[in-house]
Amino acid sequence: QQQVKQSPQSLIVQKGGIPIINCAYENTAFDYFPWYQQFPGKGPALLIAIRPDVSEKKEGRFTISFNKSAKQFSLHIMDSQPGDSATYFCAAQETSGSRLTFGEGTQLTVNP
Amino acid sequence: DTEVTQTPKHLVMGMTNKKSLKCEQHMGHRAMYWYKQKAKKPPELMFVYSYEKLSINESVPSRFSPECPNSSLLNLHLHALQPEDSALYLCASSHGGTGLNGETQYFGPGTRLLVL
Repeated sequence: QQQVKQSPQSLIVQKGGIPIINCAYENTAFDYFPWYQQFPGKGPALLIAIRPDVSEKKEGRFTISFNKSAKQFSLHIMDSQPGDSATYFCAAQETSGSRLTFGEGTQLTVNP
Repeated sequence: DTEVTQTPKHLVMGMTNKKSLKCEQHMGHRAMYWYKQKAKKPPELMFVYSYEKLSINESVPSRFSPECPNSSLLNLHLHALQPEDSALYLCASSHGGTGLNGETQYFGPGTRLLVL
């Protein structure tokens, strides 16, 4: 119930491509869904976050799509750049809780 | 400013040593966290402090001892660690209190710990 399943485990795209990372959850009490970007040797940095009352949120080249009925959400990176090469973690949190439940991560490589 | 700072950046210690990791934030956040992260894995929650009181201990071995001296500082005291404790230790903070209402957690850069 507490799991967040993330796919794919790794992803390679060409510069300018649109990588898509998918996450699914079971716990309907989750109501906050952040995405973190992590470069090697660094801490995770918040990229973008969404709540279930909206179906899409855009910040710059990053878009979250959210499907509440399917309990799925995804990250799209428009016009991807080599500098976007990093590990991306989706996460989920309950309003009443303090635990972030992370997905297993996706290692993204954007080739020049 | 959403900065969480951690010192040291790197730490090598023997299994009989005692060392401490430090974390600091000046965002007025009242919840602070310690996570452990192994390579190619997501962060694993270890401890949560809310308003300077320990609110969550995820069954962490006693060789890890957290301390929250004030609302801006968080320490992790290490003693008699094992080689399998080698990992990236991350500190995070959020606005906090019980019932975090989905508040964003901001992570520090981490301390890379190697136990020999």
